[in-house]
Amino acid sequence: EAGVVQSPRYKIIEKKQPVAFWCNPISGHNTLYWYLQNLGQGPELLIRYENEEAVDDSQLPKDRFSAERLKGVDSTLKIQPAELGDSAVYLCASSGVGNTIYFGEGSWLTVV
Amino acid sequence: AQSVAQPEDQVNVAEGNPLTVKCTYSVSGNPYLFWYVQYPNRGLQFLLKYITGDNLVKGSYGFEAEFNKSQTSFHLKKPSALVSDSALYFCAVRAYDKIIFGKGTRLHILP
Repeated sequence: EAGVVQSPRYKIIEKKQPVAFWCNPISGHNTLYWYLQNLGQGPELLIRYENEEAVDDSQLPKDRFSAERLKGVDSTLKIQPAELGDSAVYLCASSGVGNTIYFGEGSWLTVV
Repeated sequence: AQSVAQPEDQVNVAEGNPLTVKCTYSVSGNPYLFWYVQYPNRGLQFLLKYITGDNLVKGSYGFEAEFNKSQTSFHLKKPSALVSDSALYFCAVRAYDKIIFGKGTRLHILP
């Protein structure tokens, strides 16, 4: 069974440029999460989807971040414009029946 | 509000010795508790979870964790450490629809 797939794995962009991350969850998982992980810290939730509905986006900085999960499967997280402080790892995860969250390998963003 | 604490930033253990990585939590209601491991430049890998039932939970790679309701703890343990266990370990608690991760404990296994 394929795990959570994320792309790109690594991205370097200049500040003020846009960037987008893509995630394909485990097949059959209705719940999808985007987490932010700063170096040496634990993941922090940005947004959670139940199917195509964003049910918790309270921690998503909506002035520059946006996300979508069309058709309730794949998801895209966008940052526009990126700032130096956005350099971090963006983790996508999914869960189904059983409460366990499974993570992808992460998208490592460096803003210069 | 729910929270999870990992009181040690780093734990050093000699290879072959038992290891313990500590986690305490605060949550209203019955907690679901998880441990994850993260190797360099990788995502988080699920190790084990406690939902209900036996307080001693066994997981991947020989790890186990003990749920202690009175002490609100869920410490991760392994009887004999391997150098390959060196990594960053995260405890997480889920209550209702919120999932919160600890800040992580870096485990160093010394050869």
